[in-house]
Amino acid sequence: QSALTQPASVSGSPGQSITISCTGTRSDVGTYNLVSWYQQHPGKAPKLMIYEASKRPSGVSYRFSGSKSGNTASLTISGLQAEDEADYYCCSYAGSSTFVFGTGTEVTVL
Amino acid sequence: EVQLVESGGGLVQPGGSLRLSCAASGFTFSTYWMHWVRQAPGKGLVWVSRINSDGSNIGYADSVKGRFTISRDNAKDTLYLQMNSLRAEDTAVYYCASRPSTSHEWTWGQGTLVTVSS
Repeated sequence: QSALTQPASVSGSPGQSITISCTGTRSDVGTYNLVSWYQQHPGKAPKLMIYEASKRPSGVSYRFSGSKSGNTASLTISGLQAEDEADYYCCSYAGSSTFVFGTGTEVTVL
Repeated sequence: EVQLVESGGGLVQPGGSLRLSCAASGFTFSTYWMHWVRQAPGKGLVWVSRINSDGSNIGYADSVKGRFTISRDNAKDTLYLQMNSLRAEDTAVYYCASRPSTSHEWTWGQGTLVTVSS
């Protein structure tokens, strides 16, 4: 149950697009399409942004999109806005009724 | 609207026990699968445990297996986490999360802080 690997930090200017990667193994991301992405502001509970790799919950901005290829999932934020500055975590089903989160990425809007 | 309210956190000595509760409202609790996730101060999210809608399918992270027990009372719309043999490294905010049996959209509570210290 090793954590999925994410870059520690990603930054971009307002209006730009950024992509956060989430690298796992054939035992988790590579086998299951059950990857989700969460946004967490300081002192707040995580908020679901993407589920089942590419589905966007009702109420989440269209600027957030998800994809998966092989053992790596990705979250893209387009038209970066100041309010997008937060920590982001991926999560994947890992088989045998277990899940694993990513190491987390701090997004900074320059 | 799905609402989850955690309670039961607090200060406990190493080796002690604590039971967390997660009260659910706004949805049919008995049809939802439930999770516990924790976050140590200044650290990332860590999945702890999951239970299916009727309690027949349960999973644990290796770090808590044998010490923590997840359970639910569908008549009381409440999820539990019994934590025994607590260690300093169990100090964290514990969140409960729910998802419908037909989708993987998780909704989260606001968390309860557990501090293990002498």
